[in-house]
Amino acid sequence: DGGITQSPKYLFRKEGQNVTLSCEQNLNHDAMYWYRQDPGQGLRLIYYSQIVNDFQKGDIAEGYSVSREKKESFPLTVTSAQKNPTAFYLCASSIDRMSLQYFGPGTRLTVL
Amino acid sequence: DQQVKQNSPSLSVQEGRISILNCDYTNSMFDYFLWYKKYPAEGPTFLISISSIKDKNEDGRFTVFLNKSAKHLSLHIVPSQPGDSAVYFCAAFAQGGSEKLVFGKGTKLTVNP
Repeated sequence: DGGITQSPKYLFRKEGQNVTLSCEQNLNHDAMYWYRQDPGQGLRLIYYSQIVNDFQKGDIAEGYSVSREKKESFPLTVTSAQKNPTAFYLCASSIDRMSLQYFGPGTRLTVL
Repeated sequence: DQQVKQNSPSLSVQEGRISILNCDYTNSMFDYFLWYKKYPAEGPTFLISISSIKDKNEDGRFTVFLNKSAKHLSLHIVPSQPGDSAVYFCAAFAQGGSEKLVFGKGTKLTVNP
């Protein structure tokens, strides 16, 4: 049963702590993406990766970091430098950068 | 600078009637457009797409129309059903450009029984 998994569904952290959000896909997709959604806002691109060991900044990369050591995994770290980390985070993947993106179920991060 | 605009944050229609969701874009390099549907606390799911070489694409109850000269596209849902109640995102892509998907802010559709 192929798909994209994000864990956990809900995550709470104290201000000043780094936190890593998980994203795994078993679709054999080369490209993976991280988006952030805020109320009344569209999806804004944080980072994307077109291939293993390579990634690029999106439109709002400040305060975030990623790694792409394996094709199926693209974890996102929200660092203490991110000023407004509370948001709904969505991971997506596609066969390649030109193809349809499929989304995971999302992780809601709340920083207290 | 918002390249993809969905100017109606919300839309309410009666079950069985037509829902029309609108989207405008500013970047003339966009040549592929998509609509995603999103339920609360879930990831968006792909609904329908259209290439700039076409002006209409139909899939069951869903039809997307593209007016390139006006830089406008619309999603028609006929007939609307209560299960269609969700947030609909318009997205655009420039295959010869940055090749990043650009999303609008979404329109919340409510279909009343």
